[in-house]
Amino acid sequence: GDSVTQMEGPVTLSEEAFLTINCTYTATGYPSLFWYVQYPGEGLQLLLKATKADDKGSNKGFEATYRKETTSFHLEKGSVQVSDSAVYFCALSSPGNTPLVFGKGTRLSVIA
Amino acid sequence: GAGVSQTPSNKVTEKGKYVELRCDPISGHTALYWYRQSLGQGPEFLIYFQGTGAADDSGLPNDRFFAVRPEGSVSTLKIQRTERGDSAVYLCASSRGQGQPQHFGDGTRLSIL
Repeated sequence: GDSVTQMEGPVTLSEEAFLTINCTYTATGYPSLFWYVQYPGEGLQLLLKATKADDKGSNKGFEATYRKETTSFHLEKGSVQVSDSAVYFCALSSPGNTPLVFGKGTRLSVIA
Repeated sequence: GAGVSQTPSNKVTEKGKYVELRCDPISGHTALYWYRQSLGQGPEFLIYFQGTGAADDSGLPNDRFFAVRPEGSVSTLKIQRTERGDSAVYLCASSRGQGQPQHFGDGTRLSIL
């Protein structure tokens, strides 16, 4: 079945450091790919998405590119802030199968 | 604005009891999803409604779990004869339809003692 594998955390970075959180997937067909974020004490929020190969999703300085050849959707940000501290989830939704399949999540802590 | 609302936010009950968890989706969203998130894990799919009918209930772990959405809006997840392993955060999400982004509520944290 469909699955998502993302790098294990926790990840601790200093403010203004470069962030990469790796995500790879296994799916039949061509899924849509998502990154969700869960800030402390809050619910899951959609951060960005990409629906086809080579699409780049971006939001709040975060980017991820849908790479079909490597079945990856790595999350990147050039300069993290303390306010980016959260748990990040990579997810997919296969065509004709709308429920999301999530990775286990990666906890990011940014220190000043 | 009005997002997805879940009640209660926390529920503590004893093993063997019956519980109901409520989800009020965003107005106009026809699709509604229930997920379960255990500590340190990502959310896992339970059941999906399109309108009033359950379009996919393949994620329900066993027949103690049941969900309804009688008028195509509010949904209730029902768990009978609760077990300690049912302890988790239960998340509800809604969307405008198939393939549209899902918007999540804050979840109900269920603890079975």
